[in-house]
Amino acid sequence: GAVVSQHPSRVICKSGTSVKIECRSLDFQATTMFWYRQFPKQSLMLMATSNEGSKATYEQGVEKDKFLINHASLTLSTLTVTSAHPEDSSFYICSARDSGHYGYTFGSGTRLTVV
Amino acid sequence: GNSVTQMEGPVTLSEEAFLTINCTYTATGYPSLFWYVQYPGEGLQLLLKATKADDKGSNKGFEATYRKETTSFHLEKGSVQVSDSAVYFCALSERSGGYQKVTFGTGTKLQVIP
Repeated sequence: GAVVSQHPSRVICKSGTSVKIECRSLDFQATTMFWYRQFPKQSLMLMATSNEGSKATYEQGVEKDKFLINHASLTLSTLTVTSAHPEDSSFYICSARDSGHYGYTFGSGTRLTVV
Repeated sequence: GNSVTQMEGPVTLSEEAFLTINCTYTATGYPSLFWYVQYPGEGLQLLLKATKADDKGSNKGFEATYRKETTSFHLEKGSVQVSDSAVYFCALSERSGGYQKVTFGTGTKLQVIP
């Protein structure tokens, strides 16, 4: 089946630094990937849609200069949290849709803690 | 816009009890409906899905029927196990702006005790 690998699973960084999260589709090509953020005891909130070879589409209220998304190939999308602050601490999850699979395959998520 | 409402948790059940997690939705068109499960510390996994009215999705003993007349997609299982303890998300998918956009409910935590 379709597999999405997300790395790292956990990261702790200092306030003011940047963190990159990778999302890879392992056995299929994903022209579109999605990045979500999950707050404790809350649902997943879509942050942005990442399109291969073009600029990401950000949801209302999401700072595109803070959450940089790059989708340079059909199997890799990255989310960079720039100048991280403690309020950016959260669980970030990516997903991708295989053209032959009606549904979405999710990565295992990244727990970001900014100290 | 689209929205998904599911019952608040946590839900605590004894092993072998019957499970129902309610989910209702609002959508402008004809969405597909999903249930996802998230085990502690992990990402989401697709549990089951239904793509049109009256479809029944099923997997691992879980079932949900797409009810257009009541805009509902309630999750049921006849006999839960401790290993079913997780957070369950109801979701819908509808085409928006050229791609499928997924809207999630807030999740319902299920705890099954021996």
